[in-house]
Amino acid sequence: GEDVEQSLFLSVREGDSSVINCTYTDSSSTYLYWYKQEPGAGLQLLTYIFSNMDMKQDQRLTVLLNKKDKHLSLRIADTQTGDSAIYFCADTNFGNEKLTFGTGTRLTIIP
Amino acid sequence: NAGVTQTPKFQVLKTGQSMTLQCAQDMNHEYMSWYRQDPGMGLRLIHYSVGAGITDQGEVPNGYNVSRSTTEDFPLRLLSAAPSQTSVYFCASSSGTSRVYEQYFGPGTRLTVT
Repeated sequence: GEDVEQSLFLSVREGDSSVINCTYTDSSSTYLYWYKQEPGAGLQLLTYIFSNMDMKQDQRLTVLLNKKDKHLSLRIADTQTGDSAIYFCADTNFGNEKLTFGTGTRLTIIP
Repeated sequence: NAGVTQTPKFQVLKTGQSMTLQCAQDMNHEYMSWYRQDPGMGLRLIHYSVGAGITDQGEVPNGYNVSRSTTEDFPLRLLSAAPSQTSVYFCASSSGTSRVYEQYFGPGTRLTVT
């Protein structure tokens, strides 16, 4: 079956950039997402990218998509303590609302 | 709008007991789903529904039942709880008319089975 993989942990100094990586196996993925989960809460959609795009920028967030390598990354510029959370990548196919989630990457900010 | 609500927030069960986790949404979303979250395993889909009266199995359906009699509600039933069902359970919904298929998540139910 389809697989979405992420590393489990990332530590970054406050003010530096964070880069969270994700690989997926489904070549027919249409939408790829980044969700954020703060402690004790459910997931919230952070940003998404359509598969015909290479890059999407939204304020401090930059999403890069390498379709050939099936690699997705999320860059957070000027990382703040409020960015501490678990970040999940997920994908789906057009017309299908079922999401496949990665394992999540726990981002820890070092003061 | 309250969004997606889940009750209870915490629950402790003994092995063999049954219970129902409640999920409701007030956004008139057709698609609803249940996930379980376990450390290092991400979110795994248990059951989902594309509309009232229609449900289907996800990746890990064994030991769980669902029904969808209304658009708003999507309860998850544990028939005979087992320690392996200790987890955090999330309900989510999305609008079938949304091109992005953004899913809205409830706050979760933390279940412990002893």
